[in-house]
Amino acid sequence: GAVVSQHPSWVICKSGTSVKIECRSLDFQATTMFWYRQFPKQSLMLMATSNEGSKATYEQGVEKDKFLINHASLTLSTLTVTSAHPEDSSFYICSARKGASYEKLFFGSGTQLSVL
Amino acid sequence: DAKTTQPTSMDCAEGRAANLPCNHSTISGNEYVYWYRQIHSQGPQYIIHGLKNNETNEMASLIITEDRKSSTLILPHATLRDTAVYYCIVRGLSGAGSYQLTFGKGTKLSVIP
Repeated sequence: GAVVSQHPSWVICKSGTSVKIECRSLDFQATTMFWYRQFPKQSLMLMATSNEGSKATYEQGVEKDKFLINHASLTLSTLTVTSAHPEDSSFYICSARKGASYEKLFFGSGTQLSVL
Repeated sequence: DAKTTQPTSMDCAEGRAANLPCNHSTISGNEYVYWYRQIHSQGPQYIIHGLKNNETNEMASLIITEDRKSSTLILPHATLRDTAVYYCIVRGLSGAGSYQLTFGKGTKLSVIP
């Protein structure tokens, strides 16, 4: 199997605080993980790509200082939303590449972030 | 990656086959056709992928036309749990950015009792 666990499933926070979301590959090593954001009734938008042991690559328009990504091990990547604002409220989803092949990417169950 | 065109929504009666079309007229020779689905408030789930030949697995069948400009995902016996947004994605497996999955708007499939 190829299971990607994402935690928490949902989080509510106050404006100005930081929130950390974890993405773990449970039964395989993930050299590359991806972070997506999805607003209501819209499709997934790629935010950044993280490779284990190196800096993340951010898509155009995504603030790297606001969305901190750490991929310190082959099974864990974290996304920290710093100084969250209501407009950051969204569904955040991670995915992981299993092994050397990009053939299949496996997704976590997502995190619903609500910033008050 | 080549762009895809899918109908916005479709209905299917429970127990019947669901046939979801996808147009990808600008697909290049080394690009694969992938299908994912997203059930409400969950992450996308891989269904199937193919290059030229038709493919079948435990979830679905993928029929790709000979010119590869379109494809159809078939769920042979749709159940209520198949209600989801289905994404058809074309991507290569080599070259810069090939690892990215670019999601379009997909097809909202509603399975009706």
